[in-house]
Amino acid sequence: DAGVIQSPRHEVTEMGQEVTLRCKPISGHDYLFWYRQTMMRGLELLIYFNNNVPIDDSGMPEDRFSAKMPNASFSTLKIQPSEPRDSAVYFCASSLGVGNQPQHFGDGTRLSIL
Amino acid sequence: AQSVTQPDIHITVSEGASLELRCNYSYGATPYLFWYVQSPGQGLQLLLKYFSGDTLVQGIKGFEAEFKRSQSSFNLRKPSVHWSDAAEYFCAVASGGSYIPTFGRGTSLIVHP
Repeated sequence: DAGVIQSPRHEVTEMGQEVTLRCKPISGHDYLFWYRQTMMRGLELLIYFNNNVPIDDSGMPEDRFSAKMPNASFSTLKIQPSEPRDSAVYFCASSLGVGNQPQHFGDGTRLSIL
Repeated sequence: AQSVTQPDIHITVSEGASLELRCNYSYGATPYLFWYVQSPGQGLQLLLKYFSGDTLVQGIKGFEAEFKRSQSSFNLRKPSVHWSDAAEYFCAVASGGSYIPTFGRGTSLIVHP
């Protein structure tokens, strides 16, 4: 079975540019999560969706960040405009429910903002 | 609010030695507990999970963990470490309210030959 698929794997762009990260969750999973991982702050939950509806976006750092889930098989995380401090690895994860259900992570997008 | 503490940022062991990674949590209800492993350049992979029943749970790659309610701990163990176990290990807890998991900061395992 295909796991969570993220694209691109690496992104290097200049400050001020728009960045779009993409995620395809595991088919049938009803929860989708976006995380950011840095050395300084560890793994941070940015936002999560249930049945394509955003439930909690309190982890989104600021208005430059936005996330959408137009259907059950696709989600995007957008940063506009990007800044050097946004450089991090961004992970998408999906799960079949919460509580006793583990999350399945993609391999992440390593983002570098110059 | 739930919180997870992994007190060791780095752990260094020799290949073949035993391993124990610590995880402590605070929670307001019966927790669901997880350990994940992250190899370089990859996402987190589930090692094992605990919900109820036997407090000693077995996972993949020869790992096990023990839930101790009295100590609010869920430590990960392996009797003999292999060089391929070098990775970052994360403990996660889900409880009360939304049951969305909270992750610890992670412990980096270094294995010496």
